[in-house]
Amino acid sequence: EIVLTQSPGTLSLSPGERATLSCRASQTVGDTSLAWYQLKPGLAPRLLIFGASSRAAGIPDRFSGSGSGTDFTLTIDRLEADDFAVYYCQQYDGSATFGGGTKVEIK
Amino acid sequence: EVRLLDSGGGLVQPGGSLRLSCTASGFTFSSFAMSWVRQAPGKGLEWVSGITDTGNGAYYADSVKGRFAISRDNSKNALFLQMNNLRADDTAVYYCAKEEGKIGRPLFTNWGQGTLVTVSS
Repeated sequence: EIVLTQSPGTLSLSPGERATLSCRASQTVGDTSLAWYQLKPGLAPRLLIFGASSRAAGIPDRFSGSGSGTDFTLTIDRLEADDFAVYYCQQYDGSATFGGGTKVEIK
Repeated sequence: EVRLLDSGGGLVQPGGSLRLSCTASGFTFSSFAMSWVRQAPGKGLEWVSGITDTGNGAYYADSVKGRFAISRDNSKNALFLQMNNLRADDTAVYYCAKEEGKIGRPLFTNWGQGTLVTVSS
């Protein structure tokens, strides 16, 4: 099983700043089968990024993903109020596993 | 617009049973594999179970194998999760999710809003 470790656990930023979230895999994630999701209480989770760097439909270009192998990054440019949430990475190179999450909170 | 509506959660005693449902709309339900994913209080996401588009194949996390059963009714655009012998550590919000990608390599493109299951005496 591929274990995903996300860092930092919490990111305290102000609106307008850039958020950089890390996701590290315990072994190579094949075919860049890495996704990012946004979770907010009471709402359906939302797919942001798949294939490590492809934005899902309707996701603004402020969200970008990068990386390959074992190291992946989600970058959110110009944070808006609606972006403060918890973000999870997930690998789908085999049975799905998720990282522990990064909370992006207002500073 | 893809919509997934989870229901069936509630309070149940340890050892009890519960059946979750998920009603889908906005896409051809019978063409997609589906999964259940859960989030325990204060914890991260955990994939629980998945089922192929036809319903002929079902898959489970080790933590629920032998206790949970996933099924679907494509005529009603509905997904189910029968949960038996529930334990306190099954307490979580349960989400149904639409899959895309290769079988056994699920990318979750759409999710329901979740239904809370609480296992407590």
